[in-house]
Amino acid sequence: DAMVIQNPRYQVTQFGKPVTLSCSQTLNHNVMYWYQQKSSQAPKLLFHYYDKDFNNEADTPDNFQSRRPNTSFCFLDIRSPGLGDAAMYLCATSSRAGFYNEQFFGPGTRLTVL
Amino acid sequence: AQSVTQPDIHITVSEGASLELRCNYSYGATPYLFWYVQSPGQGLQLLLKYFSGDTLVQGIKGFEAEFKRSQSSFNLRKPSVHWSDAAEYFCAVGIGNEKLTFGTGTRLTIIP
Repeated sequence: DAMVIQNPRYQVTQFGKPVTLSCSQTLNHNVMYWYQQKSSQAPKLLFHYYDKDFNNEADTPDNFQSRRPNTSFCFLDIRSPGLGDAAMYLCATSSRAGFYNEQFFGPGTRLTVL
Repeated sequence: AQSVTQPDIHITVSEGASLELRCNYSYGATPYLFWYVQSPGQGLQLLLKYFSGDTLVQGIKGFEAEFKRSQSSFNLRKPSVHWSDAAEYFCAVGIGNEKLTFGTGTRLTIIP
């Protein structure tokens, strides 16, 4: 089945220690999104790629970076995680840009910062 | 600024009973509205969406939603819930041409 895969499902890191979260997709979609979802809060868009074009949300902290080496993979790098970065990180894809195109979500990676 | 409000954090419903989850939006222009469901351990899945036309929208898994402009609402309904419907439900509004703004979600518990 075509799908969006996120690894690892659970990630524990230490305060200030860089961490990378991974997302891969077999849907061959052009657009990939990263969302942050804190407990009892709405998913919040961090950034998205349309092909190789990177689009950062204005309020995404500089601590968060992303890489998309090819169509299938996208990475979220947190350079110096703080306690406030503990959250579920959701990756999503869509065939074309624009919210009217259905977004397909992975199961998420839950990040714990000690 | 545009926003989405889901007034109910947690709802408990008996299996077989009807369900209505509330969603209110604040947006200056014609809204594009969505409902997503997040089952335990799963990603979000699109249930239905409204862009224009008929204000009663049918979705997957037997869900429907009704857009009411006068009430700024887009409530999700199901006539008879099943235990497998236990999940978190998110209402969202599309803004600009790229971005979805989600509500904080309603957690649905089903009791036998």
